[in-house]
Amino acid sequence: EVQLEQSGAEVKKPGESLKISCKASGYSFTTYWIAWVRQRPGKGLEWMGIIYPGDSDTKYSPSFQGHVTISADQSLFAAYLQWTSLKASDTAMYYCTRLDTRGYYYWGQGTLVTVSS
Amino acid sequence: QSVLTQPPSASGTPGQRVIISCSGSSSNIGSNNVNWYQQLPGTAPKLLIYSNDQRPSGVPDRFSGSKSGTSASLAISGLQSEDEADYFCATWDDRLNGPDVVFGGGTKLTVL
Repeated sequence: EVQLEQSGAEVKKPGESLKISCKASGYSFTTYWIAWVRQRPGKGLEWMGIIYPGDSDTKYSPSFQGHVTISADQSLFAAYLQWTSLKASDTAMYYCTRLDTRGYYYWGQGTLVTVSS
Repeated sequence: QSVLTQPPSASGTPGQRVIISCSGSSSNIGSNNVNWYQQLPGTAPKLLIYSNDQRPSGVPDRFSGSKSGTSASLAISGLQSEDEADYFCATWDDRLNGPDVVFGGGTKLTVL
């Protein structure tokens, strides 16, 4: 069974750094792209970027390029989303999701990130 | 402001047919397939329709999708209370600064 298990909720202060994870199981981790999607409170979905764990090829949405870093660790079967300096506007639910021929069928449960002073 | 335009809300009574629209442009819907996602309150999105009109296994045939030109639609027939959710369309956008996945702003469906 394909599963994407995300790390737990985080509460951070502006300016702090953060790295959240998405641990994959039940399939060959290196052969499917994994994307990150942001959902601010009460708002819609925003595609942030995508990584191919097989060779770490990464593509970012122009809206998020330079603001976040997406990475993956084959040995841990995990993808990551990280910030070096959080802002209040980064407060959101973040989902990881696997891309296959149908689209984004498998999703993680989401990681809520709250940034507040 | 989302690249894809959806009505913010839609409603219907049980048993009715509801249609949710998604309008884009030649760089996104006009040249790429459209997917639809359903998001129940407090849960992750669920893939409902892919490649404009295909249903993943397990999705009832009450849900159907279509695309014409730069617009797409999701139709839900035989509306049920459990269909009350947010619905998002999505596709690739072939932008000059690199491809990007774009979502519609979402439509909140209320079953009256």
